[in-house]
Amino acid sequence: DIQMTQSPSTLSASVGDRVTITCRASQNINKWLAWYQQRPGEAPKLLIYRTSNLQGGVPSRFSGSGSGTEFTLTISSLQPDDFATYYCQQYQTYYALTFGGGTKVDVK
Amino acid sequence: EVQLVQSGEEVKRPGESLKISCQGSGYRFGDYWIGWVRQMPDKGLEWLGTIYPDDSETRYSPSFQGQVTLSADKSVTTAYLHLYSLKSSDTALYFCARHVGQGDYSFDYWGQGTLVTVSS
Repeated sequence: DIQMTQSPSTLSASVGDRVTITCRASQNINKWLAWYQQRPGEAPKLLIYRTSNLQGGVPSRFSGSGSGTEFTLTISSLQPDDFATYYCQQYQTYYALTFGGGTKVDVK
Repeated sequence: EVQLVQSGEEVKRPGESLKISCQGSGYRFGDYWIGWVRQMPDKGLEWLGTIYPDDSETRYSPSFQGQVTLSADKSVTTAYLHLYSLKSSDTALYFCARHVGQGDYSFDYWGQGTLVTVSS
């Protein structure tokens, strides 16, 4: 299986901060990476697919970049709705999908 | 509007079996792969497997192969997750989710989740 390692596991930030979350793959996944946001008690929500494509309806303050084994999710100016847990997911191997361990963004 | 609606909360005894349903609407159900994801209490997301409702082709996570079974009935636009010989470690929130499609295996629509509690 391809292992996905997210860092940090917890991030404390304030409204207006620029936030960056990193996801590293144990092998080359090309651009087959997605990012999700999950608020407590809710299902995950797709933010970005194929590394950098913004899902419809997702605010433009979210962006994704990277390729190969290192990827980032950036929130350009953190808003109150953005305090949540974020997960990356690789789908290079469609028969063995894996998620990162999650990054919780909480209030500083 | 695309929707995935899952069956309700379940409380089971160890050793029992369970079937969770996921009914899709607002799109051609048979044309999109449906995946299942587990979230244990206060833990991350784990992919269990994926099914193509049009022909019921399935793919299972190596970690869950043999422990779960996926099925689908496109006539009622519903996918199912079967769990057997339940253990307390099966206590979790189970989600179904639709794959984006066209070779993209991210998940664009999710069910609301089904909470399963296994306790004696």
